[in-house]
Amino acid sequence: GNSVTQMEGPVTLSEEAFLTINCTYTATGYPSLFWYVQYPGEGLQLLLKATKADDKGSNKGFEATYRKETTSFHLEKGSVQVSDSAVYFCALSEREFQKTSYDKVIFGPGTSLSVIP
Amino acid sequence: DAGVTQSPTHLIKTRGQQVTLRCSPKSGHDTVSWYQQALGQGPQFIFQYYEEEERQRGNFPDRFSGHQFPNYSSELNVNALLLGDSALYLCASSLLVVNEETQYFGPGTRLLVL
Repeated sequence: GNSVTQMEGPVTLSEEAFLTINCTYTATGYPSLFWYVQYPGEGLQLLLKATKADDKGSNKGFEATYRKETTSFHLEKGSVQVSDSAVYFCALSEREFQKTSYDKVIFGPGTSLSVIP
Repeated sequence: DAGVTQSPTHLIKTRGQQVTLRCSPKSGHDTVSWYQQALGQGPQFIFQYYEEEERQRGNFPDRFSGHQFPNYSSELNVNALLLGDSALYLCASSLLVVNEETQYFGPGTRLLVL
């Protein structure tokens, strides 16, 4: 079945450090890929998305490129801030062949990020 | 424009009881999905409702049931609560049209079963 794998956390970085969170996926159809962020005590917020191969999603300084050849969607940010401390979830939603609508979202286990001053 | 809202925010129940959680979708959305997020894990899909019918279901027992109303709002019901049902329950709304793939999540209801 479809699945998402993320790098193990927690990740601790100093402010202004470079961030990479690895994500790989398994899917049989035509997935769209997402990064969601969850701040402490809150629900999920969509951070960015990409809907087809080679698309780059970006938001708030975060970027991720849909790599079909490596089935990856790694999240990057050039300079993290303390306010970026949160749990990051890689996810996919797949549209099966010849269907027009998207199905459920499948999430990875999440990667906790702590940024220290 | 109101986003997805959920009620209540927190709930404490005892084993064997029943619980009902509520969700109002983002304005203009017609599809509601429910997810269970156990502590330290990613959300797991429970089911999805569209046009007042269950459209798709994840690997959850029949104790978990739902309903969607004509105004697109939804309820999640859990019967015979178990300790393992303690989790954050997330509602997500979306629009079931061609090429619309994004689900928008509410803040969740945190359920504690004692």
